[in-house]
Amino acid sequence: QVQLVQSGAEVKKPGSSVKVSCKASGGTFSTSAISWVRQVPGEGLQWMGGLIPGLGGALYARLFQGRVDITADTSTHIAYMELHSLRPDDTAIYYCARGDRNDWRLEFWGQGTLVTVSS
Amino acid sequence: DIQMTQSPSTLSASVGDRVTITCRASQSIRRGLAWYRQSPGKAPSLLISEASVLENGVPSRFSGSGSGTEFTLVITSLQPGDFATYYCQQYDRFPYSFGQGTKVEIK
Repeated sequence: QVQLVQSGAEVKKPGSSVKVSCKASGGTFSTSAISWVRQVPGEGLQWMGGLIPGLGGALYARLFQGRVDITADTSTHIAYMELHSLRPDDTAIYYCARGDRNDWRLEFWGQGTLVTVSS
Repeated sequence: DIQMTQSPSTLSASVGDRVTITCRASQSIRRGLAWYRQSPGKAPSLLISEASVLENGVPSRFSGSGSGTEFTLVITSLQPGDFATYYCQQYDRFPYSFGQGTKVEIK
């Protein structure tokens, strides 16, 4: 059974960066499709981007293009999402999610990481 | 980019009711449509993919239908744990967008 365990909550200053990790167990990490999804408190889900670890070459949604880096380490089975130039409206829960059926449906989800951006 | 529009945004219902949620895509996504349920304070969970295929362990009171641009999620005989927010997501074309969500609340 696939499990995704994310790093803990973060508090960051505006203008700084945050890097959230997502450790996977079970299944085949290198061929899975890993996505990052943002949820501002009280709002809906936004697909930020994703990658297939064995292929590299992350895809990014237009809203986040240029401000986010999604990477993965196939030796440790950890995926990362780094968001730069943080603003207060980046305060949100960030989820990693994974699909193992050669497409981008999100079968398995991490528990979420709350990132708070405040001066 | 493909826009996903869900309706209604909020739905009030009682235990035992049948509810229907609609998701419309701005262009054809064939059957690349998933439905998720998110209970308060929890991560979303996948209920249905390929528009109509139930995930393992999902009760048969959930069903999905549609293709192209119009999709429907039906919950027959609503149970207490079903009061939650439901999202559709298209995974046919990058970027893989979500609908805005439908909150099913207790009447």
